[in-house]
Amino acid sequence: LAKTTQPISMDSYEGQEVNITCSHNNIATNDYITWYQQFPSQGPRFIIQGYKTKVTNEVASLFIPADRKSSTLSLPRVSLSDTAVYYCLVGALSAGAGSYQLTFGKGTKLSVIP
Amino acid sequence: KAGVTQTPRYLIKTRGQQVTLSCSPISGHRSVSWYQQTPGQGLQFLFEYFSETQRNKGNFPGRFSGRQFSNSRSEMNVSTLELGDSALYLCASSLWNGGADEQFFGPGTRLTVL
Repeated sequence: LAKTTQPISMDSYEGQEVNITCSHNNIATNDYITWYQQFPSQGPRFIIQGYKTKVTNEVASLFIPADRKSSTLSLPRVSLSDTAVYYCLVGALSAGAGSYQLTFGKGTKLSVIP
Repeated sequence: KAGVTQTPRYLIKTRGQQVTLSCSPISGHRSVSWYQQTPGQGLQFLFEYFSETQRNKGNFPGRFSGRQFSNSRSEMNVSTLELGDSALYLCASSLWNGGADEQFFGPGTRLTVL
């Protein structure tokens, strides 16, 4: 069961790039790494997912080193609306009868300052 | 496409009672996962259902149970409520596998145990 560790909080000014790193030392071979964003009083929302190397979509990039023991979510040019809690999730693919564990980090509270 | 819906949104119960929460996944999604979110523990995986079968269970006592119906709708039940069960209960649906697929979260049910 992969344990994940993230910084508790981060502050950033508007327009800056923000990098949030998640450590997952005992990640399993079949685990994917997924990042979610959560606003108060809402359920988490998918941002990006990757398995290895770099993934980029319209809102973020995800960097995963070769050993996959950590991952970094990169948010380019943040705005006030990016103020939220960001979670990394490490999960295994089901295999056979389908048995996997999903482990969320405790979340990183990002505060964007004008 | 309708999102994940959860009912009720808010619930107040007293110790010793039991409660049933309901989740309707996105149409076509077969995997439904449940999470408990508290300020101290963050997001914790309760269990996941796929095709009416519990495919995996997190580290919660047997008082927490669930089921999934043929239309993929899911319910979770908590018996003999304790004060510590006060939390936001989130349901998430995905096509096949919550670990490898994007999960879509509902708004949650806020349970308060008095």
